[in-house]
Amino acid sequence: QVQLKESGPGLVQPSQTLSLTCTVSGFSLTSYNVHWVRQPPGKGLEWMGRMRYNGDTSYNSALKSRLSISRDTSKNQVFLKMNSLQTDDTGTYYCTREGIYGGYSALFDYWGQGVMVTVSS
Amino acid sequence: DIQMTQSPSSMSASLGDRVTITCRASQDIGNYLSWFQQKPGKSPRRMIYGATNLAAGVPSRFSGSRSGSDYSLTISSLESEDMAIYYCLQSIQYPFTFGSGTKLEIK
Repeated sequence: QVQLKESGPGLVQPSQTLSLTCTVSGFSLTSYNVHWVRQPPGKGLEWMGRMRYNGDTSYNSALKSRLSISRDTSKNQVFLKMNSLQTDDTGTYYCTREGIYGGYSALFDYWGQGVMVTVSS
Repeated sequence: DIQMTQSPSSMSASLGDRVTITCRASQDIGNYLSWFQQKPGKSPRRMIYGATNLAAGVPSRFSGSRSGSDYSLTISSLESEDMAIYYCLQSIQYPFTFGSGTKLEIK
């Protein structure tokens, strides 16, 4: 069945780099786009960026200078790296998928469980 | 960036009530509008896609509609399990943008 699972360190020091992994199963990264969405505690959802099925990426301009998304299709993994972390980067980070066929019917139908990241010294 | 103005930010309703939540887009987004439900400690769940299409497994009391640049999520008869925060999302243009959320509580 379709699954996405985020993993990474729960605690990151300010100014350091966050590295997260989204491991997927039940579908191919060459047929789906994978997006990252984050949520500060008690606040709303923010779209961060996307790894396209063909390897292209798109980023939220507010984060673009700090954010990098990559993948390893052989391992069914998509990676998020964000540098210069600050306390307001604390929150839950989710990965979710978008099918390349079916238009908006295939958008964000499955999500990972999320990983909580705390930025603190 | 496209702004999604969601209202109300919170509301309280009784079981059986009809509830409507609205998002207004700052630019034309066609039908590239989805609605998500999020319960405490859980990942978002897609409820509506393409403005009016019910996602798989979602109860039929949920529906979506569009009037110009205004998009609505309606629950025809509120049930206790519907207590959650609801978000709209536009996906016509990057960056995708979410509404600020509506917290729905049961009276």
